[in-house]
Amino acid sequence: EAGVTQFPSHSVIEKGQTVTLRCDPISGHDNLYWYRRVMGKEIKFLLHFVKESKQDESGMPNNRFLAERTGGTYSTLKVQPAELEDSGVYFCASSQGGSGTPLFYNEQFFGPGTRLTVL
Amino acid sequence: KNQVEQSPQSLIILEGKNCTLQCNYTVSPFSNLRWYKQDTGRGPVSLTIMTFSENTKSNGRYTATLDADTKQSSLHITASQLSDSASYICVVTDSNYQLIWGAGTKLIIKP
Repeated sequence: EAGVTQFPSHSVIEKGQTVTLRCDPISGHDNLYWYRRVMGKEIKFLLHFVKESKQDESGMPNNRFLAERTGGTYSTLKVQPAELEDSGVYFCASSQGGSGTPLFYNEQFFGPGTRLTVL
Repeated sequence: KNQVEQSPQSLIILEGKNCTLQCNYTVSPFSNLRWYKQDTGRGPVSLTIMTFSENTKSNGRYTATLDADTKQSSLHITASQLSDSASYICVVTDSNYQLIWGAGTKLIIKP
């Protein structure tokens, strides 16, 4: 079974440009999460989709970040315009279950991450 | 503020030796505590998960302990192998099921 995949693996852009990251979750997983790790710091939650709906977007840093999950399959995370502080590794994870399902033991499977560098 | 603190920040040991990594947390109330292993260039992979009522959980050569009273956890690695070189991250799930991440311990196993 294919795991969570992310594209691209690396992206280097200039400040002010736009970048779109893509995540393909494990087939059949309703829950999809985005996380970010800024260099030297801990991983932080960005947002959580249940199917195509945003369940929790409390971790999104500002309105330059836009996440979508049309059709409830893959998800994109767009940063527009990118700033220097957006540099980091963006992880996507997916887990089973749907809306209302307790996430207590709901194991999240992580993709390899996209390393974003904003110059 | 909910926090997860890990120590040491980094650790170098010889292959075959044992080691113990520490995690202290202030997340309250919490649902569960997980230890993840993250290889360079890869996403985190779950090693163990424990609820507040469990005080030990093993996964092969990895044994996690939890003291919910003192809010401390440890991850013990037995008979280390070169493939154990990775970052080990302690993660606490809060009552809203959000994951609160520690900064990780970078473990290097030398032959």
